[in-house]
Amino acid sequence: SQQGEEDPQALSIQEGENATMNCSYKTSINNLQWYRQNSGRGLVHLILIRSNEREKHSGRLRVTLDTSKKSSSLLITASRAADTASYFCATAGRLGNFNKFYFGSGTKLNVKP
Amino acid sequence: DVKVTQSSRYLVKRTGEKVFLECVQDMDHENMFWYRQDPGLGLRLIYFSYDVKMKEKGDIPEGYSVSREKKERFSLILESASTNQTSMYLCATRGTVTYEQYFGPGTRLTVT
Repeated sequence: SQQGEEDPQALSIQEGENATMNCSYKTSINNLQWYRQNSGRGLVHLILIRSNEREKHSGRLRVTLDTSKKSSSLLITASRAADTASYFCATAGRLGNFNKFYFGSGTKLNVKP
Repeated sequence: DVKVTQSSRYLVKRTGEKVFLECVQDMDHENMFWYRQDPGLGLRLIYFSYDVKMKEKGDIPEGYSVSREKKERFSLILESASTNQTSMYLCATRGTVTYEQYFGPGTRLTVT
């Protein structure tokens, strides 16, 4: 299976601190994406990093990708209470002509005010 | 902005009932997906469709079927609901240019 696995499963920090979540996957990928899910809601796309990229930034988000280790990390800097959510990585493989996505089980982040 | 809507936020059905979950998108996306989400298991792909009347099985299609008669609408059908199909069901869409998926708010289905 190509499924991404996040680590840690749960993370609790104080507002203002940085939060780091990791994702590992098993096979070669075309790209890797991070999504956020607020409790009981659908997922929202945060950022995509392609297999030939090593680092990408978007606002307070920083994503790294190490294809040799088959791992990625998501860093949220200066966290806010509103960042409280579950975070998922998704890897895109290839199924015929269609890109199939595999989601991990997520990291639950709690940011305490 | 892409809007993906699902017919119900919460649904309670009895074992053996036929259940329809509907998903509608307004962005003319070719690709539509149905996932189920269970604690500790992440999202698992049930079915996807890349065009009208076209469908492909995902990782866990057993007990489900789908219908895509119009581009904007993708329906998930539980032919005979069972308690192990109690779950959160998420619909998503994707265009052909980007890899980003857009999700609906989800339907929490309970089968008793």
